[in-house]
Amino acid sequence: GAGVSQSPSNKVTEKGKDVELRCDPISGHTALYWYRQRLGQGLEFLIYFQGNSAPDKSGLPSDRFSAERTGESVSTLTIQRTQQEDSAVYLCASSRGGVSNQPQHFGDGTRLSIL
Amino acid sequence: AQSVTQPDIHITVSEGASLELRCNYSYGATPYLFWYVQSPGQGLQLLLKYFSGDTLVQGIKGFEAEFKRSQSSFNLRKPSVHWSDAAEYFCAVGARSSGDKLTFGTGTRLAVRP
Repeated sequence: GAGVSQSPSNKVTEKGKDVELRCDPISGHTALYWYRQRLGQGLEFLIYFQGNSAPDKSGLPSDRFSAERTGESVSTLTIQRTQQEDSAVYLCASSRGGVSNQPQHFGDGTRLSIL
Repeated sequence: AQSVTQPDIHITVSEGASLELRCNYSYGATPYLFWYVQSPGQGLQLLLKYFSGDTLVQGIKGFEAEFKRSQSSFNLRKPSVHWSDAAEYFCAVGARSSGDKLTFGTGTRLAVRP
């Protein structure tokens, strides 16, 4: 597709369950970002992948959060033992290069609700 | 650490009126600055960006923004607002030295009166 694709668009799960969120970046984009957006708040950086470099995980809030990316394609964000405070919209973005002067293109997000 | 402040949480304007959304940043180096718009249930769409050069940048949908280094500001403007502009607007700052991460403001929600 032409844009960043995220799935599922909505996910409702019980506290304590693991969830996996998927992001398909724009073809040819080497950089991929994950953000969390809590209700009424701005975007909180989680993790950044650039090519084959080690990812920048400095934004991950706890060791329950992890992410992987296969080459320059799909990425998955995994949250283990979900808590109610994990409820948020998780946004993925990709960009052509790894420098900040390349604009990031966002997917529509996955709305995660923890019961 | 870099930070972005959007002092107005919620703004309401009448259709056809002019608009200015404020953004102030705190950053030691020359930043890259962005404005994004988010409609309900959707991701963020880039409106415009500033990297260097002319401090007045034009974006999509009739928006423009002006970088004022002395005021550490990057305010978004539109001369005549349309009802379809109702959305949430985010200012963001990034720099190579920050590891290519963007720091976002908390957003300004724009409502448009008919």
